Amino acid sequence: EAQVTQNPRYLITVTGKKLTVTCSQNMNHEYMSWYRQDPGLGLRQIYYSMNVEVTDKGDVPEGYKVSRKEKRNFPLILESPSPNQTSLYFCASSLSKEAGASYYGYTFGSGTRLTVV
Amino acid sequence: QKEVEQNSGPLSVPEGAIASLNCTYSDRGSQSFFWYRQYSGKSPELIMFIYSNGDKEDGRFTAQLNKASQYVSLLIRDSQPSDSATYLCAVSRSNDYKLSFGAGTTVTVRA
Repeated sequence: EAQVTQNPRYLITVTGKKLTVTCSQNMNHEYMSWYRQDPGLGLRQIYYSMNVEVTDKGDVPEGYKVSRKEKRNFPLILESPSPNQTSLYFCASSLSKEAGASYYGYTFGSGTRLTVV
Repeated sequence: QKEVEQNSGPLSVPEGAIASLNCTYSDRGSQSFFWYRQYSGKSPELIMFIYSNGDKEDGRFTAQLNKASQYVSLLIRDSQPSDSATYLCAVSRSNDYKLSFGAGTTVTVRA
């Protein structure tokens, strides 16, 4: 089954304790992205990656890191989480135009609800 | 000004009626437009995409795009209780994979 898999689904952590949220897709998509979703603010892009070893900042990158060492994986790292990073996080992937994709809508993972206390 | 704006709702419609959702965007360079449905606690799922001015129909859903007025709309005909969800409008430029999302419109279909 074609999918984007995020883990964990739920995470409660304390301020300052480093954590990683994993994201993996099995569709051979070039493009991957992380979003956070907060009430009234919608989905805001944190980081994105056009391909292996190519990453760039989105709209709200402060406090986050990413890496893209393999095409299928795009982990989100919070080096020192703070309470304002409490949110619902989504990983998403998409085919690229260069790959001949006919549309560029995202496939989303199931989400990770993070609480930082 | 937000890149993508939607009425937050809630929009309440009776079962069988037409639900009409609107979305405006600020970037005239936007080329691709998407509607996602998101049930409470779930991830967004793509229901419609449109690139050209005019209407695009898929089952009970119709997307309408007017680039000159910078708005895109979604009509849900014969609304069902299962259509109760938040609907997200998203746009992107032709040379950019980034999707900018509106905050969403919550629709409630009452039986």
